[in-house]
Amino acid sequence: GAVVSQHPSWVICKSGTSVKIECRSLDFQATTMFWYRQFPKQSLMLMATSNEGSKATYEQGVEKDKFLINHASLTLSTLTVTSAHPEDSSFYICSARAGTGNIQYFGAGTRLSVL
Amino acid sequence: AQSVTQPDIHITVSEGASLELRCNYSYGATPYLFWYVQSPGQGLQLLLKYFSGDTLVQGIKGFEAEFKRSQSSFNLRKPSVHWSDAAEYFCAVGRNSGNTPLVFGKGTRLSVIA
Repeated sequence: GAVVSQHPSWVICKSGTSVKIECRSLDFQATTMFWYRQFPKQSLMLMATSNEGSKATYEQGVEKDKFLINHASLTLSTLTVTSAHPEDSSFYICSARAGTGNIQYFGAGTRLSVL
Repeated sequence: AQSVTQPDIHITVSEGASLELRCNYSYGATPYLFWYVQSPGQGLQLLLKYFSGDTLVQGIKGFEAEFKRSQSSFNLRKPSVHWSDAAEYFCAVGRNSGNTPLVFGKGTRLSVIA
């Protein structure tokens, strides 16, 4: 149980285009999902907290207009990188909070390469 | 402020040897503590967690961790390391309620040699 699916696993796009990343909880409902960014050989940097049916809460320094988060259902949250630039190239990971106890289950991550 | 410190950036152990990865935390409330493992290019897998009760917790893949409140530590151990254990290990701390995110350490990379 507690499986989180993240898609796509790898995407290459041209500078200026937008990319959408999906995060799904497959066997549980997740009222809260988190989006992280990870640079090579670094820890996870929290970007935003996504709550179903409400606006996401962004961490300081994260541009909300650039990283659009939608959490329209209890099993799906999406992160859209708008007008992507090479500096947005990174590994993006989502997690979903299952039940009580603040246990988070992670997706496999999406590697974004912007050319 | 909440923080997690993993003092060792990189550890190399021989296959079959024992392993201990260190984790110290700073947290204002009763902490929930976690260890996750990440293989290259992958997401994070939960190894074990501590919420309350017995301070020695068992996890998957033969790992265990001990919560020591007096030392603000939650070190991860394994008696005999396998080559497949080579990965990045993250310690994290969080609250037991609300939609609060976890705070992660910077990670410890484990290499296993024959």
